[in-house]
Amino acid sequence: EAGVAQSPRYKIIEKRQSVAFWCNPISGHATLYWYQQILGQGPKLLIQFQNNGVVDDSQLPKDRFSAERLKGVDSTLKIQPAKLEDSAVYLCASSLEGGVGTDTQYFGPGTRLTVL
Amino acid sequence: AQSVSQHNHHVILSEAASLELGCNYSYGGTVNLFWYVQYPGQHLQLLLKYFSGDPLVKGIKGFEAEFIKSKFSFNLRKPSVQWSDTAEYFCAVTSGGGADGLTFGKGTHLIIQP
Repeated sequence: EAGVAQSPRYKIIEKRQSVAFWCNPISGHATLYWYQQILGQGPKLLIQFQNNGVVDDSQLPKDRFSAERLKGVDSTLKIQPAKLEDSAVYLCASSLEGGVGTDTQYFGPGTRLTVL
Repeated sequence: AQSVSQHNHHVILSEAASLELGCNYSYGGTVNLFWYVQYPGQHLQLLLKYFSGDPLVKGIKGFEAEFIKSKFSFNLRKPSVQWSDTAEYFCAVTSGGGADGLTFGKGTHLIIQP
């Protein structure tokens, strides 16, 4: 079974530039999550989708971050404009059903973003 | 809001030593508890999880964890560690009910010396 795919794996940009990350979840998984992991900390949830609807985006900085999951499969996360403090690894995860709290989340390899 | 505390940020052990990594959470309602592991160069993967039933849960690679509700704890244990257990370990919690994104602790970096 193919895992969660993410691209690019690495990205270096200057502050105030824009950047986008892509995620393809495991086939058939209804729920998709984006997490931000700053160096030395655990991942922090940014947004959760159930199919193509948003379940939780309470921790997404909506003035600069946006995310979409068209057709309930792939997802993109965008930062516009980027700040220095956005330097982090952005992780995508998916789960078969989600919404019940007990599903295993499967993580992708992450995209390491460096903002100069 | 939920929060998770992991007491040890860096642990160094010798092979065959016993391991216990502490995890405490703050949330008064029903919780689901997880331990995830990230081996060097690999993705985060599930070690074990607890959501109901026997509070002692067993996971992959000989790991186990005990849920103690009165102490809000979910400590990870392994009786005899191996060099291949060198990794970053994360405790996490969800409360379920729709929005079930994981709340993670800061992680424990475990180094096993051969």
